[in-house]
Amino acid sequence: ETGVTQSPTHLIKTRGQQVTLRCSSQSGHNTVSWYQQALGQGPQFIFQYYREEENGRGNFPPRFSGLQFPNYSSELNVNALELDDSALYLCASSFHSRTDTQYFGPGTRLTVL
Amino acid sequence: AQTVTQSQPEMSVQEAETVTLSCTYDTSESNYYLFWYKQPPSRQMILVIRQEAYKQQNATENRFSVNFQKAAKSFSLKISDSQLGDTAMYFCAFSRGGYNKLIFGAGTRLAVHP
Repeated sequence: ETGVTQSPTHLIKTRGQQVTLRCSSQSGHNTVSWYQQALGQGPQFIFQYYREEENGRGNFPPRFSGLQFPNYSSELNVNALELDDSALYLCASSFHSRTDTQYFGPGTRLTVL
Repeated sequence: AQTVTQSQPEMSVQEAETVTLSCTYDTSESNYYLFWYKQPPSRQMILVIRQEAYKQQNATENRFSVNFQKAAKSFSLKISDSQLGDTAMYFCAFSRGGYNKLIFGAGTRLAVHP
């Protein structure tokens, strides 16, 4: 069974640029959630995708957007990067149900200069 | 709105001893789930244990057990026979039944010393 994978591991961008982060869900899972974890804090929910549609969103501006593909993999796109976007971005997959547990990938460390 | 509070920023314990990490939460929901996740320096968030709110019995996974006090909205994690590999950040998390979004606490950094 393949776990959740994310790419790239690290990324450095400058303010104003755009970035795309990628996530492959664990086999058998059809739901992907994205979280932002600032240094020294707990993760904050960005949004969730189920059946290629956004299925809930946290308190993040529209410049954070996403996609889910037919194979259930997902992308997180951030436009007009700001310094405060520097964080660890975590992807989690689950099978969409009322009771399912989310399993996390290793994360992408984004640094905005 | 739901909130999760972890009041212990840092804890330390000697190898082979027992340590308890505290978590309290606030919700008006009756159907929800509680989790403890571990995040070692490698950064990957790993599920430690899960508790369904409708279950009165406390969850147990090997050396890890919880004390779930629903009325007090308390969900503490007990680690028995601590090992060096238990050194990590531990996050308490909440999700409302039917909506698979996790709300995390700020975390407790646990150091296990030989």
